Amino acid sequence: ETGVTQSPTHLIKTRGQQVTLRCSSQSGHNTVSWYQQALGQGPQFIFQYYREEENGRGNFPPRFSGLQFPNYSSELNVNALELDDSALYLCASSYQGSTDTQYFGPGTRLTVL
Amino acid sequence: KNEVEQSPQNLTAQEGEFITINCSYSVGISALHWLQQHPGGGIVSLFMLSSGKKKHGRLIATINIQEKHSSLHITASHPRDSAVYICAAHRMYSGGGADGLTFGKGTHLIIQP
Repeated sequence: ETGVTQSPTHLIKTRGQQVTLRCSSQSGHNTVSWYQQALGQGPQFIFQYYREEENGRGNFPPRFSGLQFPNYSSELNVNALELDDSALYLCASSYQGSTDTQYFGPGTRLTVL
Repeated sequence: KNEVEQSPQNLTAQEGEFITINCSYSVGISALHWLQQHPGGGIVSLFMLSSGKKKHGRLIATINIQEKHSSLHITASHPRDSAVYICAAHRMYSGGGADGLTFGKGTHLIIQP
């Protein structure tokens, strides 16, 4: 069992709305990365947080933002939802970033109508 | 051309066969991950390696840094091995902030009884 949880499991929103997805990291992990996985594609890196600071970002617009809290849980916020934002959103926690074993959550399936 | 390429994209084999999945990358890396994804989205880390070879049960992962190539082998394959296998690279630190993983598109493996 990975110990990484995500909520909600599924979510349906309409275009233009805002959404917040949540991730609870495995105990002791201070790094969390968020990924977007479109249907049939590999995950794409959104950003990474280390000790509550964003320390890396992929090719995603500013309407994708995040937070990491002192207990190392985190949020992914997406504003002004677009149809193409429909995807599986995955978080992965680790102790020391992407050169450490990654523990993935089960994902949140977001559908934008 | 993707920075991480996997082959084959799809593989169907009979139970007991020896399976090889290949991964090539075009950038300098500090680590390469092999991951397993089951239907519904859950991703499990199988291996993280930066050199040589690792073995866990019936799974073996190798990497050749000079050739920028890694392989995942499954011995005595079983229907429960059916899943998508993904290789993901962590690019060598560029000094501009952390990078997440860059994923291949995955290999869909089906093991028939």
